[in-house]
Amino acid sequence: KAGVTQTPRYLIKTRGQQVTLSCSPISGHRSVSWYQQTPGQGLQFLFEYFSETQRNKGNFPGRFSGRQFSNSRSEMNVSTLELGDSALYLCASRRTVPIGPGNTIYFGEGSWLTVV
Amino acid sequence: GQQLNQSPQSMFIQEGEDVSMNCTSSSIFNTWLWYKQDPGEGPVLLIALYKAGELTSNGRLTAQFGITRKDSFLNISASIPSDVGIYFCAGENTGNQFYFGTGTSLTVIP
Repeated sequence: KAGVTQTPRYLIKTRGQQVTLSCSPISGHRSVSWYQQTPGQGLQFLFEYFSETQRNKGNFPGRFSGRQFSNSRSEMNVSTLELGDSALYLCASRRTVPIGPGNTIYFGEGSWLTVV
Repeated sequence: GQQLNQSPQSMFIQEGEDVSMNCTSSSIFNTWLWYKQDPGEGPVLLIALYKAGELTSNGRLTAQFGITRKDSFLNISASIPSDVGIYFCAGENTGNQFYFGTGTSLTVIP
């Protein structure tokens, strides 16, 4: 089955602009999470959506927002871009079973954002 | 957010050597996952562990879910050049939240 799909793969934006990234989870996965990855900072959790509701949120400013649609596809938006927002943004999906086999996160290839 | 303690941060080894890395947490986890990430790509799942004491292999890779449920180990035997990359651990706590290690950068010298 198809994996997690993220678009676009690469983009360059100017400081002050806004950007929207898209993620299509694995079929049947209802949970979508977003992460920011920069060199030396590891994976920083942005937020998680489940059934169109934000379930968890990381420590990022309000410029970072997201949403999930009824088909589980998700988008994240960053407004008023800053140079420090340049990073690889990763989307991950999972089925969300309580415990045990199948409770696994799968990542997309990421969207590389460069802010100039 | 919370991150797991992963060590070592980086490793430089000769081709053919075995590699060992681990992750520890102050909290009990229900799930441990290990990923490999190549430059410019997303992390790819290597091994998933769901039970304390569980030992699972995937080719030359072996991972274990620690008995205390607070740690996990990944071993790579007979390393080859394509093993180069960054290895991440991830753990899921009792609240169904996942946390990630800071990564181990592996360099294999031919």
